[in-house]
Amino acid sequence: QVQLVQSGAEVKKPGASVKVYCKASGYTYTSYFIDWVRQAPGQGLEWLGKINPNDDSTLYAQKFQGRVTMTRDTSTSTVYMELSSLRSEDTAVYYCARSYSTASSLDYWGQGTLVTVSS
Amino acid sequence: QPVLTQPPSVSGAPGQRVTISCTGSSSNIGAGYGVHWYQVLPGTAPKLLIYNNNSRPSGVPDRFSGSKSGTSASLAITGLQAEDEADYYCQSYDRSLSGSRVFGGGTKLTVL
Repeated sequence: QVQLVQSGAEVKKPGASVKVYCKASGYTYTSYFIDWVRQAPGQGLEWLGKINPNDDSTLYAQKFQGRVTMTRDTSTSTVYMELSSLRSEDTAVYYCARSYSTASSLDYWGQGTLVTVSS
Repeated sequence: QPVLTQPPSVSGAPGQRVTISCTGSSSNIGAGYGVHWYQVLPGTAPKLLIYNNNSRPSGVPDRFSGSKSGTSASLAITGLQAEDEADYYCQSYDRSLSGSRVFGGGTKLTVL
């Protein structure tokens, strides 16, 4: 069965970076995009960007360009999302999710990773 | 501000029918891109409920249905049950934002 398993919770200080991973299994890893979406406490869902594991191409939301980097390791079917220059507003649960195409739905989701930014 | 507009909250009694609207523009829903709906239960990851306007993934009850017209879409839930109490989000694609996925602000469904 399709599974996306994410790394555990992180606590970071303002100005630091955080790197979250998402390990895929149960399907052909290179046939689907991996998107990243976050949800801050009491807030809605917000899209950060996506990576194509097949060719390493990425597309980032304008809001996060310059601060987010998505990479992949094909040998382990793992995608990484790194967010830098963290501030308190980045405190959120970060999810990875699978998508088939640019405008398709996000059909499977990881369990989420809580990132807390606090001094 | 979310690109797609949803009502902050809706409510209904068990067994009733409720609808949740999602309003976009000519660069997303109105441009013909599909609308997808997600259910978020407290403390859990989002779950895909409806994709491509009106299709249900395997395992989603047919009490949930979606529709789209012009620059808006709707999610309908019939035979409301206590376990339907959750947050619901619509999502689409916006061609004016360098190919970004966009979400609605979410709607809290309360089962009275």
